[in-house]
Amino acid sequence: EAGVTQFPSHSVIEKGQTVTLRCDPISGHDNLYWYRRVMGKEIKFLLHFVKESKQDESGMPNNRFLAERTGGTYSTLKVQPAELEDSGVYFCASSQFMSFTNTEAFFGQGTRLTVV
Amino acid sequence: QQQVKQSPQSLIVQKGGISIINCAYENTAFDYFPWYQQFPGKGPALLIAIRPDVSEKKEGRFTISFNKSAKQFSLHIMDSQPGDSATYFCAARGESGSARQLTFGSGTQLTVLP
Repeated sequence: EAGVTQFPSHSVIEKGQTVTLRCDPISGHDNLYWYRRVMGKEIKFLLHFVKESKQDESGMPNNRFLAERTGGTYSTLKVQPAELEDSGVYFCASSQFMSFTNTEAFFGQGTRLTVV
Repeated sequence: QQQVKQSPQSLIVQKGGISIINCAYENTAFDYFPWYQQFPGKGPALLIAIRPDVSEKKEGRFTISFNKSAKQFSLHIMDSQPGDSATYFCAARGESGSARQLTFGSGTQLTVLP
């Protein structure tokens, strides 16, 4: 069974450009989460989808970040325009149920974004 | 404000030694405390987890010790092996509105020397 897949693995863009990250969750997982780790600090929650609906987007830094989940399958996270402080590793995770204690959340390998 | 504080930032242990990573939390509403292990180029993977009604949980060489009154929990890796070299994250689950999400510590880079 395929795990959570993220594209691209690495992305280097210039300040002011646009970047779109993609996450393919495990098939059948209704819950999809985006997290970010900046400069070796803690992994921070960005937002949570249940199917195609945004359940919680309280962690989104600002309106330069836009997340979508088309048809409740894959998700994209767009940063427009990118700023230097957006650099970091973006993780996607999916789980079958909403509660992390009822089912494990599986993480993708992450996308390392560098804004120069 | 960092709700889960993790230490040390890096740790070097000899093969066969004990690795200890500590975490402290502030939010008494947290009700689930997992540890994640991340190898280079991979995503974090659940290693072991504990609920606050239990003081200790052991799985193989990995043990979580939990102190509810002190709001602290730690990961002990017994007989550490070079293959255990990875970044370890503690985390806590809280509830925000109708969603449940993980709050992570800042990570510990563990190196086990052969």
